[in-house]
Amino acid sequence: GAVVSQHPSWVICKSGTSVKIECRSLDFQATTMFWYRQFPKQSLMLMATSNEGSKATYEQGVEKDKFLINHASLTLSTLTVTSAHPEDSSFYICSATGSRGRSNYGYTFGSGTRLTVV
Amino acid sequence: DQQVKQNSPSLSVQEGRISILNCDYTNSMFDYFLWYKKYPAEGPTFLISISSIKDKNEDGRFTVFLNKSAKHLSLHIVPSQPGDSAVYFCAASGGSQGNLIFGKGTKLSVKP
Repeated sequence: GAVVSQHPSWVICKSGTSVKIECRSLDFQATTMFWYRQFPKQSLMLMATSNEGSKATYEQGVEKDKFLINHASLTLSTLTVTSAHPEDSSFYICSATGSRGRSNYGYTFGSGTRLTVV
Repeated sequence: DQQVKQNSPSLSVQEGRISILNCDYTNSMFDYFLWYKKYPAEGPTFLISISSIKDKNEDGRFTVFLNKSAKHLSLHIVPSQPGDSAVYFCAASGGSQGNLIFGKGTKLSVKP
């Protein structure tokens, strides 16, 4: 089956620094990647959708200059939290849809990244 | 405006009994529905899905029922096991939205 690898699984950083989170599709081509954020006891909130080779589409209220998304290849998407602040502390999860040969893979999730900004 | 609603934040069930998790949606353009199971600090794990052309899909102990006229779906787990204890998210997609819209989740506790 489809596997999406996300790392790091957790990261602690100082306020003002930037953090990069990677999401890789291991055995299929991820034509579309989704980035979610989850606050404690809340639902998964979509932040942005990215298609390989094009700019990400951000949901309303998500600062694109703060949350930089790059989807330069069919197997890798990155989310960079720039100038992180404590309020950016959250659980970030990626999801990918794509294909391998004639098989289509939908909505495979990474294992998530716990970001803590101190 | 919440398009996918899980009105029960928590549910407690005895081991061996049936667990029924409910989900309502408002967007009639949704045509694909999924259930995910999530443990703390982990990504969601896909459980079962159903497309709008069906009203039931079964996979082992898990069955999802879809009532399109009521815009309601439910996940039945029978028999429930302690290992089923987790947060369950209902999600929907379709129409012009290729992304998933999630409910807030229901925390299921299965007691031995």
